[in-house]
Amino acid sequence: NAGVTQTPKFQVLKTGQSMTLQCAQDMNHNSMYWYRQDPGMGLRLIYYSASEGTTDKGEVPNGYNVSRLNKREFSLRLESAAPSQTSVYFCASTHRTSPETQYFGPGTRLLVL
Amino acid sequence: KNQVEQSPQSLIILEGKNCTLQCNYTVSPFSNLRWYKQDTGRGPVSLTIMTFSENTKSNGRYTATLDADTKQSSLHITASQLSDSASYICVVRGIAWYNNNDMRFGAGTRLTVKP
Repeated sequence: NAGVTQTPKFQVLKTGQSMTLQCAQDMNHNSMYWYRQDPGMGLRLIYYSASEGTTDKGEVPNGYNVSRLNKREFSLRLESAAPSQTSVYFCASTHRTSPETQYFGPGTRLLVL
Repeated sequence: KNQVEQSPQSLIILEGKNCTLQCNYTVSPFSNLRWYKQDTGRGPVSLTIMTFSENTKSNGRYTATLDADTKQSSLHITASQLSDSASYICVVRGIAWYNNNDMRFGAGTRLTVKP
């Protein structure tokens, strides 16, 4: 099992550019999450997907969109990147039988100039 | 104000020494509390999880304690190793466990173990 994988690992964007962060899990998990991690702050939930076909806003959804493409994949899209979106983005997943245990991907480091 | 406060922000200790990290929370009602270890450049990995009825839980050289009355938790690391150098994150889940948006993350304590 690869667990939770994320691509790319690192990306530099110019203000106004768009991009999609990819996340996939091979653990047959039901729920998937996108977080951002900024210095001096805890991880903050951007969006989550409780199951295939559903998505909900988290604490900081503005400027982002998500797609739960299938059970395995959950993508995060920045339509028009802003410097405030410079952060490290983590994807996580949980199985419905153990909703307490989140498995995290390695993260995507995004720099918006 | 963050509902989960961790202290200290950073800590440097010598290899072989013990240390204790603190987590204070205001999340209420409370379901469980988890400690994660996050190595540089990686995602967090779960160390321990405790419900409100548990006072202590160990995982090897890591021992977590919980006082639900004072809303405080600590993570004690015994006989530290260089590989313990990481950020340690406290996460508190509210009672509505079915609400996936009900977790609060602390900012973490950055531990550096020096030889």
